[in-house]
Amino acid sequence: AQKVTQAQTEISVVEKEDVTLDCVYETRDTTYYLFWYKQPPSGELVFLIRRNSFDEQNEISGRYSWNFQKSTSSFNFTITASQVVDSAVYFCALKTYQGAQKLVFGQGTRLTINP
Amino acid sequence: DSGVTQTPKHLITATGQRVTLRCSPRSGDLSVYWYQQSLDQGLQFLIQYYNGEERAKGNILERFSAQQFPDLHSELNLSSLELGDSALYFCASSKDRGLQPQHFGDGTRLSIL
Repeated sequence: AQKVTQAQTEISVVEKEDVTLDCVYETRDTTYYLFWYKQPPSGELVFLIRRNSFDEQNEISGRYSWNFQKSTSSFNFTITASQVVDSAVYFCALKTYQGAQKLVFGQGTRLTINP
Repeated sequence: DSGVTQTPKHLITATGQRVTLRCSPRSGDLSVYWYQQSLDQGLQFLIQYYNGEERAKGNILERFSAQQFPDLHSELNLSSLELGDSALYFCASSKDRGLQPQHFGDGTRLSIL
């Protein structure tokens, strides 16, 4: 079975601080995909990134960066110089190559950036 | 804007009733997925359709059913509604059977009184 754990339920930081959201996953499959989605207060789910299990290169997109480590089954997300607009619930998700192509979501981390 | 359109945005109804949620996928996307987001269960996969055919089922109750039409839009039917069905229902779409990223609509918030 697949499982995603986001141990941090809520994080609150002051604007311009860096913040890292943790994600640990479990799967027996060797081929899988990991995702991060953002859910702002307005409620929609916004796709941020997809990584496949064969690509462990870290990725940076502006103030966002992702650290994928297969050895620890983690796919952590860092926001550098956080802004108030980054306030949202962030979900990590897993999808395996075989079987049902469904996303298995973690419980989410509510991030609040205070001015 | 993800390109996935869900209607209605809000729905308020009573226990025992039946409702239909509608989803139009992004142009060119063949797969449609339905998810339920509730406070106690989080985001749960319900069902997937690919090019009109059911492809995968998740934690979908027997009171719920879905279909995908020839024009690729999809409907999720919820019947004999219970208080616990109150949730945010998301539709997502992707180009293929599931390896491509899923793009989500804004959701339909269902409130059962």
